[in-house]
Amino acid sequence: GAGVSQTPSNKVTEKGKYVELRCDPISGHTALYWYRQSLGQGPEFLIYFQGTGAADDSGLPNDRFFAVRPEGSVSTLKIQRTERGDSAVYLCASSLNGQSYNEQFFGPGTRLTVL
Amino acid sequence: SQQGEEDPQALSIQEGENATMNCSYKTSINNLQWYRQNSGRGLVHLILIRSNEREKHSGRLRVTLDTSKKSSSLLITASRAADTASYFCAASQTGANNLFFGTGTRLTVIP
Repeated sequence: GAGVSQTPSNKVTEKGKYVELRCDPISGHTALYWYRQSLGQGPEFLIYFQGTGAADDSGLPNDRFFAVRPEGSVSTLKIQRTERGDSAVYLCASSLNGQSYNEQFFGPGTRLTVL
Repeated sequence: SQQGEEDPQALSIQEGENATMNCSYKTSINNLQWYRQNSGRGLVHLILIRSNEREKHSGRLRVTLDTSKKSSSLLITASRAADTASYFCAASQTGANNLFFGTGTRLTVIP
């Protein structure tokens, strides 16, 4: 079946602009996660959704970052007033029900470059 | 912040040799998982070891977990050129649903 998909695969924007990154999880997966990976580092947690609600947004770096999942499926990560330090690969993952023993399936990521 | 540290940061071996990567983490965990990443993009789940397990095997992979030392190791036996990738450990921390990833080991297998 289809895995996690993310669009766009690459996004180049200018400092100060607004961007939206989209994630389509595996059908039927109630848990969805956003991570950010800087060059040479491991992924860092941003936010976790269980269904439509953000169950844990403790990883969002500041209030310029926001994410939604209005129908419990597709999620959009929104970044306002982008800064050069926001440049990274943004990874989305989904799992069956958010239990710790469930595997997280990752999408290919969106590479964001802020000029 | 990163939960774990991995060692070595980079490892280069000849095809057919074994590769061992180590991971240390900071807090109590439900389980520890290992992922592989090619070319800085999508991560692929390799194996999960629960906190009450000490060793687990999957094909050419062997994972150990020592909760008293808060450390884990991943052994890849009879390495192949196709094993060249970055490998990350990821801790499922008690009380949290997300994963805390280590800094990764870049493995290069020379044909």
